[in-house]
Amino acid sequence: GAVVSQHPSRVICKSGTSVKIECRSLDFQATTMFWYRQFPKQSLMLMATSNEGSKATYEQGVEKDKFLINHASLTLSTLTVTSAHPEDSSFYICSAKIADTQYFGPGTRLTVL
Amino acid sequence: GESVGLHLPTLSVQEGDNSIINCAYSNSASDYFIWYKQESGKGPQFIIDIRSNMDKRQGQRVTVLLNKTVKHLSLQIAATQPGDSAVYFCAEATGNQFYFGTGTSLTVIP
Repeated sequence: GAVVSQHPSRVICKSGTSVKIECRSLDFQATTMFWYRQFPKQSLMLMATSNEGSKATYEQGVEKDKFLINHASLTLSTLTVTSAHPEDSSFYICSAKIADTQYFGPGTRLTVL
Repeated sequence: GESVGLHLPTLSVQEGDNSIINCAYSNSASDYFIWYKQESGKGPQFIIDIRSNMDKRQGQRVTVLLNKTVKHLSLQIAATQPGDSAVYFCAEATGNQFYFGTGTSLTVIP
Protein backbone atom coordinates (compact mmCIF):
# COMPACT_ATOMS: atom_id res chain seq x y z
CA GLY A 1 0.00 0.00 0.00
CA ALA A 2 0.86 3.68 -0.10
CA VAL A 3 3.61 4.73 2.27
CA VAL A 4 3.95 8.05 4.03
CA SER A 5 6.95 8.85 6.18
CA GLN A 6 7.55 11.50 8.79
CA HIS A 7 10.75 12.87 10.19
CA PRO A 8 11.64 13.14 12.96
CA SER A 9 9.64 10.53 14.81
CA ARG A 10 10.33 12.18 18.12
CA VAL A 11 11.69 15.61 19.06
CA ILE A 12 12.32 17.35 22.34
CA CYS A 13 13.02 21.05 22.27
CA LYS A 14 13.26 24.05 24.55
CA SER A 15 10.48 26.56 24.79
CA GLY A 16 10.85 29.35 22.23
CA THR A 17 12.60 27.29 19.58
CA SER A 18 11.15 26.27 16.22
CA VAL A 19 10.71 22.71 15.08
CA LYS A 20 10.27 21.46 11.53
CA ILE A 21 8.48 18.19 10.75
CA GLU A 22 8.73 16.62 7.32
CA CYS A 23 6.08 14.51 5.66
CA ARG A 24 6.97 12.54 2.55
CA SER A 25 4.94 10.35 0.25
CA LEU A 26 7.38 7.61 -0.72
CA ASP A 27 5.85 5.84 -3.67
CA PHE A 28 3.30 8.24 -5.05
CA GLN A 29 2.74 11.90 -5.72
CA ALA A 30 0.34 13.67 -3.41
CA THR A 31 -1.30 16.85 -4.51
CA THR A 32 -3.01 17.13 -1.16
CA MET A 33 -1.57 16.45 2.26
CA PHE A 34 -3.14 16.98 5.66
CA TRP A 35 -1.69 17.82 9.05
CA TYR A 36 -3.32 16.59 12.22
CA ARG A 37 -2.73 16.92 15.89
CA GLN A 38 -3.72 14.23 18.34
CA PHE A 39 -3.96 14.39 22.12
CA PRO A 40 -3.86 11.21 24.23
CA LYS A 41 -6.92 9.03 23.88
CA GLN A 42 -8.53 11.48 21.50
CA SER A 43 -9.34 11.49 17.84
CA LEU A 44 -7.47 13.31 15.11
CA MET A 45 -7.81 17.07 14.98
CA LEU A 46 -7.31 18.49 11.51
CA MET A 47 -4.99 21.48 11.55
CA ALA A 48 -4.63 22.29 7.89
CA THR A 49 -4.92 21.03 4.35
CA SER A 50 -1.76 21.41 2.33
CA ASN A 51 -2.00 21.72 -1.44
CA GLU A 52 1.12 21.50 -3.58
CA GLY A 53 2.10 24.86 -5.00
CA SER A 54 -0.44 26.89 -3.08
CA LYS A 55 -1.05 28.18 0.41
CA ALA A 56 -2.34 25.81 3.01
CA THR A 57 -5.90 26.02 4.21
CA TYR A 58 -6.04 26.22 7.97
CA GLU A 59 -8.85 25.07 10.20
CA GLN A 60 -10.57 27.55 12.44
CA GLY A 61 -8.58 28.26 15.57
CA VAL A 62 -5.24 27.14 14.11
CA GLU A 63 -2.72 29.96 13.97
CA LYS A 64 -1.15 30.03 10.52
CA ASP A 65 1.78 32.14 11.73
CA LYS A 66 2.57 29.62 14.42
CA PHE A 67 2.13 26.47 12.37
CA LEU A 68 3.83 27.17 9.07
CA ILE A 69 3.07 24.69 6.31
CA ASN A 70 4.96 24.39 3.08
CA HIS A 71 4.09 21.96 0.30
CA ALA A 72 6.82 22.67 -2.20
CA SER A 73 6.71 19.41 -4.11
CA LEU A 74 4.34 16.55 -4.81
CA THR A 75 6.17 14.35 -2.32
CA LEU A 76 7.03 16.67 0.53
CA SER A 77 5.10 18.84 2.95
CA THR A 78 6.61 20.43 6.04
CA LEU A 79 5.08 21.72 9.25
CA THR A 80 7.12 24.19 11.27
CA VAL A 81 6.03 24.90 14.81
CA THR A 82 7.42 28.35 15.50
CA SER A 83 8.32 29.59 18.96
CA ALA A 84 7.14 26.35 20.47
CA HIS A 85 5.69 26.31 23.98
CA PRO A 86 4.84 23.43 26.30
CA GLU A 87 1.19 23.55 25.25
CA ASP A 88 2.31 22.69 21.71
CA SER A 89 3.50 19.32 22.96
CA SER A 90 1.49 16.74 21.10
CA PHE A 91 1.48 13.97 18.53
CA TYR A 92 1.52 15.44 15.02
CA ILE A 93 0.44 13.24 12.14
CA CYS A 94 0.46 13.96 8.44
CA SER A 95 -1.43 12.19 5.71
CA ALA A 96 -1.36 12.17 1.95
CA LYS A 97 -4.37 11.76 -0.23
CA ILE A 98 -4.30 9.35 -3.13
CA ALA A 99 -7.52 8.93 -5.07
CA ASP A 100 -10.19 9.26 -2.36
CA THR A 101 -8.21 7.82 0.53
CA GLN A 102 -5.89 9.33 3.10
CA TYR A 103 -2.77 7.43 4.04
CA PHE A 104 -1.15 8.45 7.29
CA GLY A 105 2.43 8.87 8.36
CA PRO A 106 3.74 7.28 11.56
CA GLY A 107 3.47 10.52 13.52
CA THR A 108 5.91 12.83 15.29
CA ARG A 109 5.93 13.14 19.05
CA LEU A 110 6.83 16.73 20.00
CA THR A 111 7.76 17.56 23.56
CA VAL A 112 8.46 21.17 24.43
CA LEU A 113 10.25 21.71 27.71
CA GLY B 1 -20.06 20.42 11.20
CA GLU B 2 -20.86 16.82 10.54
CA SER B 3 -20.28 14.23 13.22
CA VAL B 4 -19.08 10.70 13.09
CA GLY B 5 -19.46 8.75 16.29
CA LEU B 6 -18.87 5.33 17.67
CA HIS B 7 -21.35 3.44 19.80
CA LEU B 8 -18.76 1.64 21.96
CA PRO B 9 -15.64 3.40 23.16
CA THR B 10 -14.07 0.14 24.39
CA LEU B 11 -14.42 -3.45 23.37
CA SER B 12 -12.82 -6.57 24.81
CA VAL B 13 -12.96 -9.87 22.96
CA GLN B 14 -11.51 -13.30 23.45
CA GLU B 15 -8.80 -14.34 21.05
CA GLY B 16 -10.34 -16.28 18.21
CA ASP B 17 -13.76 -14.65 18.55
CA ASN B 18 -15.19 -12.24 16.02
CA SER B 19 -15.21 -8.51 16.76
CA ILE B 20 -17.75 -5.96 15.64
CA ILE B 21 -17.04 -2.26 15.90
CA ASN B 22 -19.84 0.17 15.12
CA CYS B 23 -19.96 3.72 13.85
CA ALA B 24 -22.76 6.18 13.21
CA TYR B 25 -22.54 9.04 10.75
CA SER B 26 -24.83 11.97 10.25
CA ASN B 27 -24.24 13.26 6.72
CA SER B 28 -26.46 11.34 4.35
CA ALA B 29 -24.55 12.93 1.46
CA SER B 30 -21.26 11.26 2.44
CA ASP B 31 -20.21 8.91 -0.31
CA TYR B 32 -17.06 7.28 0.98
CA PHE B 33 -16.22 5.59 4.27
CA ILE B 34 -12.98 4.26 5.67
CA TRP B 35 -11.84 2.26 8.66
CA TYR B 36 -8.44 2.90 10.21
CA LYS B 37 -6.49 1.04 12.87
CA GLN B 38 -4.19 2.97 15.18
CA GLU B 39 -1.75 1.27 17.47
CA SER B 40 -0.29 3.10 20.43
CA GLY B 41 2.26 5.71 19.39
CA LYS B 42 1.72 5.15 15.67
CA GLY B 43 -0.21 6.80 12.89
CA PRO B 44 -3.55 5.41 11.69
CA GLN B 45 -3.32 2.55 9.23
CA PHE B 46 -5.84 2.10 6.42
CA ILE B 47 -7.83 -1.11 6.83
CA ILE B 48 -10.71 -1.08 4.40
CA ASP B 49 -13.02 1.32 2.64
CA ILE B 50 -16.47 1.28 1.10
CA ARG B 51 -18.40 3.56 -1.18
CA SER B 52 -21.99 4.56 -0.71
CA ASN B 53 -23.15 2.51 -3.68
CA MET B 54 -22.19 -0.67 -1.82
CA ASP B 55 -23.48 -2.19 1.39
CA LYS B 56 -20.75 -4.73 2.06
CA ARG B 57 -17.09 -5.15 1.30
CA GLN B 58 -14.72 -7.86 2.42
CA GLY B 59 -11.00 -7.89 2.94
CA GLN B 60 -8.65 -10.26 4.62
CA ARG B 61 -10.38 -11.19 7.91
CA VAL B 62 -12.27 -7.88 7.83
CA THR B 63 -15.69 -6.95 6.52
CA VAL B 64 -17.26 -3.51 6.39
CA LEU B 65 -21.02 -3.14 6.32
CA LEU B 66 -22.78 0.05 5.37
CA ASN B 67 -26.42 0.72 6.18
CA LYS B 68 -27.37 3.99 4.54
CA THR B 69 -30.93 3.84 5.81
CA VAL B 70 -29.84 4.29 9.40
CA LYS B 71 -26.47 5.87 8.58
CA HIS B 72 -24.51 3.11 10.25
CA LEU B 73 -21.14 1.60 9.49
CA SER B 74 -19.57 -1.44 11.07
CA LEU B 75 -16.26 -3.26 10.96
CA GLN B 76 -16.18 -6.98 11.54
CA ILE B 77 -12.92 -8.70 12.34
CA ALA B 78 -12.95 -12.47 12.06
CA ALA B 79 -10.92 -14.67 14.39
CA THR B 80 -9.56 -11.75 16.33
CA GLN B 81 -5.87 -11.97 17.19
CA PRO B 82 -3.77 -10.21 19.85
CA GLY B 83 -2.22 -8.10 17.09
CA ASP B 84 -5.65 -6.67 16.40
CA SER B 85 -5.59 -4.80 19.72
CA ALA B 86 -5.67 -1.12 18.79
CA VAL B 87 -7.96 1.86 18.44
CA TYR B 88 -10.21 1.72 15.40
CA PHE B 89 -11.48 4.90 13.73
CA CYS B 90 -14.19 5.24 11.18
CA ALA B 91 -14.17 8.17 8.80
CA GLU B 92 -16.70 9.56 6.39
CA ALA B 93 -15.52 11.56 3.44
CA THR B 94 -16.78 13.82 0.73
CA GLY B 95 -14.02 15.16 -1.51
CA ASN B 96 -11.32 16.60 0.73
CA GLN B 97 -13.62 16.72 3.74
CA PHE B 98 -12.91 13.89 6.16
CA TYR B 99 -14.62 13.46 9.51
CA PHE B 100 -13.21 11.00 11.99
CA GLY B 101 -14.94 9.22 14.81
CA THR B 102 -13.54 9.31 18.32
CA GLY B 103 -12.34 5.73 18.08
CA THR B 104 -13.04 2.39 19.74
CA SER B 105 -10.33 0.71 21.73
CA LEU B 106 -10.25 -3.00 21.00
CA THR B 107 -8.52 -5.28 23.48
CA VAL B 108 -7.98 -8.92 22.62
CA ILE B 109 -7.80 -11.25 25.59
CA PRO B 110 -5.44 -14.20 25.02
